Parts: sequence; C-alpha cells; structure tokens
Amino acid sequence: SQKIEQNSEALNIQEGKTATLTCNYTNYSPAYLQWYRQDPGRGPVFLLLIRENEKEKRKERLKVTFDTTLKQSLFHITASQPADSATYLCALDVSGYSTLTFGKGTMLLVSP
Amino acid sequence: DSGVTQTPKHLITATGQRVTLRCSPRSGDLSVYWYQQSLDQGLQFLIHYYNGEERAKGNILERFSAQQFPDLHSELNLSSLELGDSALYFCASSAQGGLAKNIQYFGAGTRLSVL
Repeated sequence: SQKIEQNSEALNIQEGKTATLTCNYTNYSPAYLQWYRQDPGRGPVFLLLIRENEKEKRKERLKVTFDTTLKQSLFHITASQPADSATYLCALDVSGYSTLTFGKGTMLLVSP
Repeated sequence: DSGVTQTPKHLITATGQRVTLRCSPRSGDLSVYWYQQSLDQGLQFLIHYYNGEERAKGNILERFSAQQFPDLHSELNLSSLELGDSALYFCASSAQGGLAKNIQYFGAGTRLSVL
C-alpha cells in the first residue's frame, strides 16, 4: 500500500536559520506533490504544488524540491521566523481522482 | 479566510447518538471533500463529492454518510457514535479544471467530542 512518511519528531530551529522538512513516499508515482501548513485547531492551508517534471519550486521564502527517483520531497523555509511555527503536511494524489493522501506532518518550532 | 464554511465549530454528544456536520464550499467550487483528523491517525480522507455526485470514498465507516445538495453545500452524517469518533472533521473544496482542481481549501473544522 502507499505510504507517505514525514518525520514525526518536531524540528526545533533558531530564528533566521533554514528549516528543512522531508517527505518520503513509497509504492506510488505521483504526478504532483503538495505542501500544506496547519496551525493547531485550524484547517490546513495550501502552500505549494510541484509537478513530477519540476525539480524545484519557489515562493517567497519557501522552496520545494521533488526527486521522483528517490521518491522524496524536501521543503525549505529560509530565514525562518517564529510565525513559521506550525505543522507542515505533504500530500499526494494517490488515487488519480484529485483525492489527497496526507502525511502525518512535521511540527516546526522556530525560537526567537 | 479560505472561503469554506463549516458549522458547527464544536459538537458535544453522547455515544449512540447521530450528528450532522455542514459545509459550504468556496463560491464556484463544485468539489467537496471530507476528512477526519485525530491525534494518532492524522488527516484521513473520508469522501469526495463533485457537483452532487460521489466521486471517491476513502476510509469512511458504514455508520457515516454524506451528500452534496443542488446548492453545492454538503453534509456529513455520523450515526451510532462511538468514543473513537471524537476528532476534528474538516471539509475542503477545490476548483475545477487544470491543476487548480488539485489544490484544496479547508474550512476551520468541526470538533466533535463523543462522551
């Protein structure tokens, strides 16, 4: 069965540093991969979508890479700020019908 | 604000009861998705409706059902509730066409507590 794995341990970094989060998947070849941010008790918010033929995508301080050979995506936040503290979820459409399967997410804590 | 509205925000009920959760998608979106999020399971896809028709089913229990009405709002019905059904229930909607249909906009969720 398809598996999406994100580091379950929280990532603690200092303000100004670059945060790097990992998403690994198995048994699937997705056409695209998405990253969402979720704050406690709130709904996920879409951040970035990267297609299988794109190696890298950027949006402001965010950067996503997608390695279909390694079956891995990396999500980077540069110049991190305390306001970036949240849980970050990666998601794949494993059905082909626009239904997303989410990883369990990695909590990021940015300290001042 | 995502534009997706969910009501109620909180629901407290007893085991064996039945509840209805409501979702209004963003204006113009035809797709509605329902998810359940519990601490140990993460965000689990339940069901997807597109323009009133069921498109895909995920890990939805037989005690749960959903529908999407002609005005595109959707309801998720949970019956014979058990303690383990306590969770956050999210609704999401997406646009149609191209890659936009793959990006989902989530509501604020309904927190269900079964006592």
